Amino acid sequence: QVQLVQSGAEVKKPGASVTVSCKASGYTFSDYYMHWVRQAPGQGLEWMGRVNPKSGYTNYAQKFQGRVTMTRDTSISTAYMELTRLRSDDTAVYYCARRFNYGSGTYSFDSWGQGTLVTVSS
Amino acid sequence: DIQMTQSPSSLSASVGDRVTITCRASQSISRYVNWYQQKPGKAPKLLIYEASSLQSGVPSRFSGSGSGTDFTLTISSLQPEDFATYYCQQSYSSPRATFGQGTKLEIK
Repeated sequence: QVQLVQSGAEVKKPGASVTVSCKASGYTFSDYYMHWVRQAPGQGLEWMGRVNPKSGYTNYAQKFQGRVTMTRDTSISTAYMELTRLRSDDTAVYYCARRFNYGSGTYSFDSWGQGTLVTVSS
Repeated sequence: DIQMTQSPSSLSASVGDRVTITCRASQSISRYVNWYQQKPGKAPKLLIYEASSLQSGVPSRFSGSGSGTDFTLTISSLQPEDFATYYCQQSYSSPRATFGQGTKLEIK
């Protein structure tokens, strides 16, 4: 079965960087885009960007441009999300999510990692 | 950007009730809406894709409908495990995904 397993919780100081990993299993990693979505405490879901596991090509939400880098290592079926220049309002749970494409041309996020809590505090 | 507006933001209901949550898109998005359920401390779970298709393994008491700008998620007979927060998401524009703000379903 499809599984996405993320790295553990992190505590960072303002201005630091964090990298969250997402290891995939149960499917061919390079066949599905990996997206990253975050959720601040008590808030909704916010799309951050995606990486094409085959090419490494990325798309980022404008809000995170310049601060986020999404990469992948196909040899170990793992995607990474690095966020730099952390601020207190980056405190959130970060999720990886697999994009599943349907024949009609649409898509959904059919599998999600368990989430990684990143706390930014001085 | 396509905005997704859910209503209500919260809802109290009892076991056995029929519940409907609505989601409105800021422009026509055909049938490109997905619905997710999220329980506290857990990742979202896909319930419905393409407005009305039930994800494998999801109970048939969940159903979705709509097209264009207006969409609904209906739970025909609430069960105790259904109390959670529900999100709609548009999949019309790619790659950017946008979600509704969520509807918290609580026990009355």
